[in-house]
This record gives sequence, structure tokens and C-alpha cells, in this order.
Amino acid sequence: EADIYQTPRYLVIGTGKKITLECSQTMGHDKMYWYQQDPGMELHLIHYSYGVNSTEKGDLSSESTVSRIRTEHFPLTLESARPSHTSQYLCASIPASNTEAFFGQGTRLTVV
Amino acid sequence: QQQVKQSPQSLIVQKGGISIINCAYENTAFDYFPWYQQFPGKGPALLIAIRPDVSEKKEGRFTISFNKSAKQFSLHIMDSQPGDSATYFCAARRGVGSARQLTFGSGTQLTVLP
Repeated sequence: EADIYQTPRYLVIGTGKKITLECSQTMGHDKMYWYQQDPGMELHLIHYSYGVNSTEKGDLSSESTVSRIRTEHFPLTLESARPSHTSQYLCASIPASNTEAFFGQGTRLTVV
Repeated sequence: QQQVKQSPQSLIVQKGGISIINCAYENTAFDYFPWYQQFPGKGPALLIAIRPDVSEKKEGRFTISFNKSAKQFSLHIMDSQPGDSATYFCAARRGVGSARQLTFGSGTQLTVLP
């Protein structure tokens, strides 16, 4: 089983609140990713990082921000949550071999 | 622009039947094609993967068929079981060095009826 963890698993929060979704991996992977998963299943890349102090925006525009101060930690922050941010957020890491993406169990966010 | 097109969106198969999910891509820079399986409430997990220099890879009941000239690859699940009911994603890897990343298909929700 992959050693990548996301917290919280579920979050219901009011509009305008600031939230941080946590993602940690203990595998020493340099590459980490955040995906947003639509209700209809499709995965969209919103942020990625190739190492400490490296962050890039993905294919899908997102109002969220990320940071990578430590290799094992890749948090995602929404400064002001809106109902349109309601979705599932999946964190993943990939080893240097690029052969397999390890996913966390996801955070299901609901903004009311 | 969707770089990896997956079909069908949903699939219902009787127990013991064959499930077939198809993916097509345009970018010839893709060099690795994994399939992921996702159960409800879980993150996707690698199921099986293939490189473009191989036309077929089989692991148990799961087989990937790869057609490089047509830029298509498919997942076949033989003797499908209710426990196979999940969402399946194809993916393709591109880039060199640190620019490599995965592009996912839109997913197929498979239901295997008992």
C-alpha cells in the first residue's frame, strides 16, 4: 500500500473560509501532484512540483495555491473557498523512475 | 484539448464476460501507458502498464493491447467479476527528464453484474 496520506478525508466549509488540504508522502519522491476530480470522474491536473521550492500550475486553471518547503509535504490552499471549489482533490507522487503514480485517498471538499 | 481519449464512459458486463475499455492518443511523445483502477472512496492505483515497444501485456485476467501505428491501446478484463466493478483510467506519460508527467483519460465506470 502506498505511503501517501491526505487529510482531511472529508471537509464541509462555509464560503469565504481559508482552507488547507494536506498531502504527505514518506517515499522520498521528488515529484508530487494535485488533481481535481470532477463528479463525472475525470482527473484534471491543477498543480505539480518536481522538488523542494518548485511548483507549477497544471492543465486546469485553479484558484488554489501550493507550496513545497519539504520533500514529503505538498499542501494545497484555498484563500477564500467558494461553492465552485466543491470537488474531490487527489494528491499523487511519482518516483524518479516515473513508472507509477501513487495516489492518496483524496479529500472530498464541499463548500456551502 | 484532451490528449488521451477514453471510451466508453460507462460499461456494464455480466459476470464471466469480457470488459473492454479503449484509449486513443495523438502525441507521439508519450512513452509509457499505465492503467489505473479506482474504487469508490479510494485514490486510483496502478493496475497494469505497457511501453510502446510491446504490443501486448498480460497480468492475470488483465491484458493491455497496444497499437502504435493507430495510436490506440485498450484494457481487456477476462472473466470479469463483481469485484472488478470500479472506475478505470488510462494514462500516458510524456516528456523527458523532470518534465515527465501523466495525462489521464476521462475514466470508465465498470459495473460487473453478478
